Amino acid sequence: AQSVAQPEDQVNVAEGNPLTVKCTYSVSGNPYLFWYVQYPNRGLQFLLKYITGDNLVKGSYGFEAEFNKSQTSFHLKKPSALVSDSALYFCAVRDVISSGSARQLTFGSGTQLTVLP
Amino acid sequence: NAGVTQTPKFQVLKTGQSMTLQCAQDMNHEYMSWYRQDPGMGLRLIHYSVGAGITDQGEVPNGYNVSRSTTEDFPLRLLSAAPSQTSVYFCASSLRQAPLSDTQYFGPGTRLTVL
Repeated sequence: AQSVAQPEDQVNVAEGNPLTVKCTYSVSGNPYLFWYVQYPNRGLQFLLKYITGDNLVKGSYGFEAEFNKSQTSFHLKKPSALVSDSALYFCAVRDVISSGSARQLTFGSGTQLTVLP
Repeated sequence: NAGVTQTPKFQVLKTGQSMTLQCAQDMNHEYMSWYRQDPGMGLRLIHYSVGAGITDQGEVPNGYNVSRSTTEDFPLRLLSAAPSQTSVYFCASSLRQAPLSDTQYFGPGTRLTVL
């Protein structure tokens, strides 16, 4: 079975400082990894994904994520946080070798990021 | 393109009532799905469809029915609403079921309260 853990319910960071939102995963085979962001009263928006290749993935709004296979992690990062980055962030995984309903995305519980002015 | 649309945005039901949450996409996506979002639990998959006429259960299907008569529409039916179904419901779609790397596009959500 595949699973995702986001160990921090809440992350606070000052504007201009670097931010990190943590994600670890568990799959039987190789993972496809995704980050989504949810602004208040909105649906989820795609930020970036790791499929294969370069371990550092660049996405929308200046975000990037680093895939680390040995640590089974896919942490979301941004060098300089903006107040407008404040939102709920979800990590998600699919197992490449899964079948049936297990081929679907499994989401983490979400991390609320607050960027303080 | 309007993308993924959902109606209604808000709904209040009494226990035992039935209703249908509507979802439509105009991107000619094969794959559509329904999730519910509850605090501290992320998104959990209710039902999904890999194409017209094909549906399957996700992680939490009990109390919900779906059908996929067209590529564009994927309604979610609550047959007899229960307070445990109070949640925010999201519909999502992606171009193909496979490859698994496809990005999902989400609707704006329906906030449902069951009294």
